[in-house]
Amino acid sequence: EVQMVESGGGLVQPGGSLRLSCAASGFTFSSYEMNWVRQAPGKRLEWVSYISSSGSTIYYADSMKGRFTISRDNAKNSLYLQMNSLRAEDTAVYYCARERGYSYDSWGQGTLVTVSS
Amino acid sequence: EIVLTQSPGTLSLSPGERATLSCRASQSLSSSYLTWYQQKPGQAPRLLIYGASSRATGIPDRFSGSGSGTDFTLTISRLEPEDFAVYYCQQYGGSPPRTFGQGTKVEIK
Repeated sequence: EVQMVESGGGLVQPGGSLRLSCAASGFTFSSYEMNWVRQAPGKRLEWVSYISSSGSTIYYADSMKGRFTISRDNAKNSLYLQMNSLRAEDTAVYYCARERGYSYDSWGQGTLVTVSS
Repeated sequence: EIVLTQSPGTLSLSPGERATLSCRASQSLSSSYLTWYQQKPGQAPRLLIYGASSRATGIPDRFSGSGSGTDFTLTISRLEPEDFAVYYCQQYGGSPPRTFGQGTKVEIK
């Protein structure tokens, strides 16, 4: 069974940092492109970042460039999102999502990040 | 950046009725790049339709997708109680960002 479990969310002050993790199981992690998608309370889904299966190609949404860093460890079947200089508007549930074709076919349950003083 | 606009914002229907949801893109995109997801409260999104018209594994055939160019449609032929949820379209253009529509909520009338 495909499973992805996010962790690392929590309460952080504006300007602070957090590192999210996504532990994958039930599939060959190293063969899949991966993404982070977030959803602010009551808002639409927002794509955050993409990483290719090898980690050689990375994309970010404009509002995250320079602040967020996506990475992966295929030996540990894990995806990461390092978030720095956090702002109140980064408050959201963050999901990791497996990419297949041009869609996201499996999602984790999400981890909540709250940026507040 | 391709902007997706979904309509209506909310659809109030009864079980057994037909639901028609629209997703309009700000510029033409390949049908291969249009996806629909379902999201229930407190849950992660679930893949419903990819490539504009192909059902994902395990999705009942009452769900169908259609469209091309800038206009795409998700149809639920007969609403079941478990279908009341929010539906999002997403585009996967050649370049990021991979944008989502604002969602259509299908609620019980």
